[in-house]
Amino acid sequence: QVQLVQSGAELKRPGASLKVSCEASGYTFTEYFLHWVRQAPGQGLEWMGWIDPNTGDTKYAQKFQGRVTMTRDTSINAVYLGLTTLTSDDTAVFYCARDCGRYCASASDYWGQGTLVTVSS
Amino acid sequence: DIQMTQSPSSLSASVGDRVTIACRASQVISNFLAWYQQKPGKLPTLLIYGTSTLQSGVPSRFSGSGSGTDFTLTISSLQPEDVATYYCQIYSSALRTFAFGPGTKVDVK
Repeated sequence: QVQLVQSGAELKRPGASLKVSCEASGYTFTEYFLHWVRQAPGQGLEWMGWIDPNTGDTKYAQKFQGRVTMTRDTSINAVYLGLTTLTSDDTAVFYCARDCGRYCASASDYWGQGTLVTVSS
Repeated sequence: DIQMTQSPSSLSASVGDRVTIACRASQVISNFLAWYQQKPGKLPTLLIYGTSTLQSGVPSRFSGSGSGTDFTLTISSLQPEDVATYYCQIYSSALRTFAFGPGTKVDVK
């Protein structure tokens, strides 16, 4: 069965950087894009960007350009979200989500369990 | 980036009521419109993709429609287990970007 397992909760200081991992299993890793989605406490879903695990190609939301990096490691079927210069506004749950591509018109059919990141001094 | 709006932002309806949620995109998109349900404290789950195709396992009381910039999610007969926040999501193939609507919170009276 498809699974996306994310790294654990983190506490970061303002100005620090973040790296969250998402390990995929149960399907061919390189055949499906992966997205990162942010959800601040009590707020809505916010799309951050996607990565093509096959080529490493990425596309980021304009809001995060210059501060976000998405990478992958095909040897362990993992993608990573990097985010720099953290502020309290980055306190949120971060999700990875699989893009099912042509099978469901690029919707996200599987989600990781979420990683809570708290930014506080 | 494409901007999305949803209306209403919240609603409260009785069990058995027909509920409609609207989603509007800032520019014309193709049929890459999806709807997600997020129950309190839970992960988002995919309800509908390609504007109107029900994801496997989703009850048939959910339906989606629309085209261009205007899309709709309908729950034909609201059930207590439908209490959740509903998000639309678009994909712009031209821009290769995605966006979520702000969400609509649905409660049962």
